[in-house]
Amino acid sequence: GENVEQHPSTLSVQEGDSAVIKCTYSDSASNYFPWYKQELGKGPQLIIDIRSNVGEKKDQRIAVTLNKTAKHFSLHITETQPEDSAVYFCAATFRSGGSYIPTFGRGTSLIVHP
Amino acid sequence: DAGVIQSPRHEVTEMGQEVTLRCKPISGHDYLFWYRQTMMRGLELLIYFNNNVPIDDSGMPEDRFSAKMPNASFSTLKIQPSEPRDSAVYFCASGRQLNTGELFFGEGSRLTVL
Repeated sequence: GENVEQHPSTLSVQEGDSAVIKCTYSDSASNYFPWYKQELGKGPQLIIDIRSNVGEKKDQRIAVTLNKTAKHFSLHITETQPEDSAVYFCAATFRSGGSYIPTFGRGTSLIVHP
Repeated sequence: DAGVIQSPRHEVTEMGQEVTLRCKPISGHDYLFWYRQTMMRGLELLIYFNNNVPIDDSGMPEDRFSAKMPNASFSTLKIQPSEPRDSAVYFCASGRQLNTGELFFGEGSRLTVL
């Protein structure tokens, strides 16, 4: 199956700074890489995703990059705000029994200090 | 659409008791997942269904855990007998076209076994 490593486990930044979270995956057949944000007391919600035929994708203050050769992908948040404080999960999909199944990283707790 | 609905949101029980967690997926989604979230292990996939059929239950920790999906709009995760180490937040998620699409998570059921 797939193995997804995520770093760092905790990230503390000042409001306005940038935050970067990195993930690596093991299955070269993985082709879809979503990022989820989990706020306190809630379930994870998709915030951005990238497919294997794209190297970078941007949506306002968040961007994702993908390096398929090195099998790593990253989430970049610019101009961080206190409301960005949450746990962020990366995921990679792998093929299992005919279906594509997401495997999640361990999560990064982002704290943005006002 | 109301999203994925889980119940109960919180459950406190004593060791040895039976626990049943319930999930109603989003209408039209043909995949349903049960995840367990703990500080130590992050988001662990327990089992997933495709068109109400269990596909992979290799993540179910032991025989005390069982899951069913009698129809497209309802699934249960049962723990019998429960143990303190089962304390965690259990998430249900649904989706379709997983290699290109998102998972929708419920708000989770927080289980505490005393």
